[in-house]
Amino acid sequence: DAGVTQSPTHLIKTRGQHVTLRCSPISGHKSVSWYQQVLGQGPQFIFQYYEKEERGRGNFPDRFSARQFPNYSSELNVNALLLGDSALYLCASSLEDQRNTGELFFGEGSRLTVL
Amino acid sequence: DAKTTQPPSMDCAEGRAANLPCNHSTISGNEYVYWYRQIHSQGPQYIIHGLKNNETNEMASLIITEDRKSSTLILPHATLRDTAVYYCIVRPPAAGNKLTFGGGTRVLVKP
Repeated sequence: DAGVTQSPTHLIKTRGQHVTLRCSPISGHKSVSWYQQVLGQGPQFIFQYYEKEERGRGNFPDRFSARQFPNYSSELNVNALLLGDSALYLCASSLEDQRNTGELFFGEGSRLTVL
Repeated sequence: DAKTTQPPSMDCAEGRAANLPCNHSTISGNEYVYWYRQIHSQGPQYIIHGLKNNETNEMASLIITEDRKSSTLILPHATLRDTAVYYCIVRPPAAGNKLTFGGGTRVLVKP
């Protein structure tokens, strides 16, 4: 079975541009989350979506937005890119909203470089 | 969320047990302890989690102290493929999929 897939795997943008990152969760998983991982640090939570509704938002500016589609795939959009947005963007999926316990399954990430 | 403290790095000999400590002195009664690891250039991978009791699965064992203020992840027979950054995370039940990662412990398994 396919795991969490993300695209593109690598991309380079310049300051001020916008970027769209895509994620396909594991089949049957209804919840998708996005994380940003700056080099040398642990991942930082950006968003969670469950059944197409936003269920959580981390401490990120409004330049960051996301959405979930009826097939449970998701997009992360970042506008007006800054140099500091250079990072590995990770998508994770899970079966449910995970109100109790349960593991997240992470993709390999999309590495964004902003020049 | 409760904060965790882990040593920044540790070495381990191949074939020996690796014991990874984690302090979470401010943990609340309903918060779980999770462990994930991240091998270079990959996404984090779930290892194990627990609330009060010790837990064991095919990957590792989790030992939680009686006062729940600290825990130890045990890799029983470390292999070179276990070289990774290991994250100890305290997760409230209402956190959903929001995991708060710290700096983790960089484990290097040496032959």
